[in-house]
Amino acid sequence: AQRVTQPEKLLSVFKGAPVELKCNYSYSGSPELFWYVQYSRQRLQLLLRHISRESIKGFTADLNKGETSFHLKKPFAQEEDSAMYYCALGARGGADGLTFGKGTHLIIQP
Amino acid sequence: KAGVTQTPRYLIKTRGQQVTLSCSPISGHRSVSWYQQTPGQGLQFLFEYFSETQRNKGNFPGRFSGRQFSNSRSEMNVSTLELGDSALYLCASSAQGQGVHEQYFGPGTRLTVT
Repeated sequence: AQRVTQPEKLLSVFKGAPVELKCNYSYSGSPELFWYVQYSRQRLQLLLRHISRESIKGFTADLNKGETSFHLKKPFAQEEDSAMYYCALGARGGADGLTFGKGTHLIIQP
Repeated sequence: KAGVTQTPRYLIKTRGQQVTLSCSPISGHRSVSWYQQTPGQGLQFLFEYFSETQRNKGNFPGRFSGRQFSNSRSEMNVSTLELGDSALYLCASSAQGQGVHEQYFGPGTRLTVT
């Protein structure tokens, strides 16, 4: 069975500080990993996926298959980064839908 | 393009009743997935429809069902409602070719069962 673990329910950092949101997964096959974000009063939206290897809003995430991790990082946090962040795993080919972690509430303090 | 829309946005039902929720995907998207979100369990995959066929199904009882129409609009139905079915139900659509997991979510339907 596939599983996604986000160990921190809440993460509070000061503006300008580095941010790292942790995500670990369990999956026997070859996974696709994603980060979704939900800003206050907005709908859930895709932030980035590991295949694209791009930086979105200053965030990056590297898939580490050895450690089965997909941590989300940003070197300098901004107040507008405050949101709920969800790590999600999907099987290649699209079977079984997306498995989401429980989410991390990121608060950026001024 | 207009985003994913869901109706109704809020719903209150009584135990034992049934409910139907509707989702209109982004124009051109043929895949529609449904998720249940609760404080305790988080986001859980219900099922996915593509070209009017259920392609994937999560681990939910048979009281949860769905369908997709030829215009890609989808409905999900929950029969014999239980208190534990109170949740936010999210619909997401995806375009063929982009990867089924690049999903665009709707605002959700908040279902309260009393």
